[in-house]
Amino acid sequence: AQSVTQLGSHVSVSEGALVLLRCNYSSSVPPYLFWYVQYPNQGLQLLLKYTTGATLVKGINGFEAEFKKSETSFHLTKPSAHMSDAAEYFCAVSDQGSSGDKLTFGTGTRLAVRP
Amino acid sequence: ETGVTQSPTHLIKTRGQQVTLRCSSQSGHNTVSWYQQALGQGPQFIFQYYREEENGRGNFPPRFSGLQFPNYSSELNVNALELDDSALYLCASRQQGSNQPQHFGDGTRLSIL
Repeated sequence: AQSVTQLGSHVSVSEGALVLLRCNYSSSVPPYLFWYVQYPNQGLQLLLKYTTGATLVKGINGFEAEFKKSETSFHLTKPSAHMSDAAEYFCAVSDQGSSGDKLTFGTGTRLAVRP
Repeated sequence: ETGVTQSPTHLIKTRGQQVTLRCSSQSGHNTVSWYQQALGQGPQFIFQYYREEENGRGNFPPRFSGLQFPNYSSELNVNALELDDSALYLCASRQQGSNQPQHFGDGTRLSIL
């Protein structure tokens, strides 16, 4: 069975500050890990994914995440927050391959960006 | 290219009723998945369809059922609606055999009174 834990349901940062959203996973097989963003009244948009290989993954909009097997973590970071980053972020895990089938999601972290 | 479209965008039903939600897959995508997202929660996998057959199911009762049509559009049917079925229902499609990620629609917001 797989599971995802996102620490902090709400995170608030100032514009220009570092964004750090935490994600820990549990999986009995090598995991495929994903970060999605959801804007109000919209579906999910893929930010980035880890499959195999390089553990530092770069995504869209300046986000990146690092897979740390020893810590079972896949934290999402962005060096400088922008007002447009305010949204809900979901970490997810799949054992079905890099396409992200049958995802198990965390409960999400709502990011607020202060002017 | 046309993205994933879902209809209706909002729907209100009462307990015990039945509902059908629709999803039009992105052009060229032959696999569709459905997720339920309760308020304040992450999406939960309901089931997936590939070539008109169910191809995996999450922890949802049989009153949640689906169909996929030859044109790869899909329906989610829920019978005997309960208050806890109130949620955003998301559809996602992709091309089986491709490494490309699935694309999500904007969802249908279902409210049960």
